Amino acid sequence: QKEVEQDPGPLSVPEGAIVSLNCTYSNSAFQYFMWYRQYSRKGPELLMYTYSSGNKEDGRFTAQVDKSSKYISLFIRDSQPSDSATYLCAMDTDKLIFGTGTRLQVFP
Amino acid sequence: DAGVIQSPRHEVTEMGQEVTLRCKPISGHDYLFWYRQTMMRGLELLIYFNNNVPIDDSGMPEDRFSAKMPNASFSTLKIQPSEPRDSAVYFCASRWGGDNYGYTFGSGTRLTVV
Repeated sequence: QKEVEQDPGPLSVPEGAIVSLNCTYSNSAFQYFMWYRQYSRKGPELLMYTYSSGNKEDGRFTAQVDKSSKYISLFIRDSQPSDSATYLCAMDTDKLIFGTGTRLQVFP
Repeated sequence: DAGVIQSPRHEVTEMGQEVTLRCKPISGHDYLFWYRQTMMRGLELLIYFNNNVPIDDSGMPEDRFSAKMPNASFSTLKIQPSEPRDSAVYFCASRWGGDNYGYTFGSGTRLTVV
């Protein structure tokens, strides 16, 4: 079993939809939970991070962490075509472990 | 700051040849990470350094892979001899030790071994 599991998608939604992206993990030592966005042929860019359990909101993006269930989520409200990218969850102790990424396409 | 700089951006080489990938981390960052990304396996951590010292190389696939960090501003990942299954995008990332979430990635090196 991989330490971090993520549905690879692809996920295709119309503009304006609410998108839900999820990951599960097995290592209870993880404390930092991150979401990265990766455009084609680019490096991953940090989108949001959360320390321990709880919610964090940044504009149209909300990150949730449920440590009791070992489950994290990223919600995108009012999705835009520019949100089309691969979204990777990642978790850190002293090194960053990634999920495989979910490819999202938002069509006009 | 110019960010994490990797070179070359693209590398095409023949099987059996030596390949050297280069990385310049962000100034002041004391952690450096090498990752490999493929469609099948996603982003895998190969090795990471703290203050130029290798801390965990458990992700290095085999002895053909080696990495060095001779100083705080430069690291190399070498594959010798290269094989077609090494074809992937190799990313370098760095962060400051006081900031567990502040990873910055380079643009990657796309390696093709034919």
